Amino acid sequence: EAGVAQSPRYKIIEKRQSVAFWCNPISGHATLYWYQQILGQGPKLLIQFQNNGVVDDSQLPKDRFSAERLKGVDSTLKIQPAKLEDSAVYLCASSPNTEAFFGQGTRLTVV
Amino acid sequence: AQSVAQPEDQVNVAEGNPLTVKCTYSVSGNPYLFWYVQYPNRGLQFLLKYITGDNLVKGSYGFEAEFNKSQTSFHLKKPSALVSDSALYFCAVRDPLGTGFQKLVFGTGTRLLVSP
Repeated sequence: EAGVAQSPRYKIIEKRQSVAFWCNPISGHATLYWYQQILGQGPKLLIQFQNNGVVDDSQLPKDRFSAERLKGVDSTLKIQPAKLEDSAVYLCASSPNTEAFFGQGTRLTVV
Repeated sequence: AQSVAQPEDQVNVAEGNPLTVKCTYSVSGNPYLFWYVQYPNRGLQFLLKYITGDNLVKGSYGFEAEFNKSQTSFHLKKPSALVSDSALYFCAVRDPLGTGFQKLVFGTGTRLLVSP
């Protein structure tokens, strides 16, 4: 079974630039999550989708972050404009019902 | 809202000795509990889960965890540690009846260091 695919693996941008991350979840998984993991901390939920609807985006900085899940499958997370404090690993996960399965993440460095 | 606490930033154990990584939780109802492991530059790997039933659950790589409702704990254990178990371990909780629509919340992580 193919796992959760994320791209790119690494990204370096200057502050105030924009960036987008892509996630392809495991086939058939209705729930998709985006987490932000800052070095030395636990993953923090940014947004949760159930199929193509948002069920929780309470911790998403909506002035600069946006996410969509078209047709309830792939998802993109965008940051515009990026700040230095956005430097982190962005993890995508999908779940069929109980446990979540994670991709390898995208490491973002904002300079 | 649900939450998880991992009181130890780091746990040190010698190879061959038993290990325990601690986790306590807070939810309004009956929790779904999980352990994940993270190796450097990798995503999180699922180890085991407690949903219902037997309080002792077994998972991947010889790990097990014990659910204790009265102490609201879900400690991760392994009878004999390996050097290759050295990694970052995260406990997570989901409240299946909470208003957060099964939001999955993680602890801050515990670094396990197994010495030869």
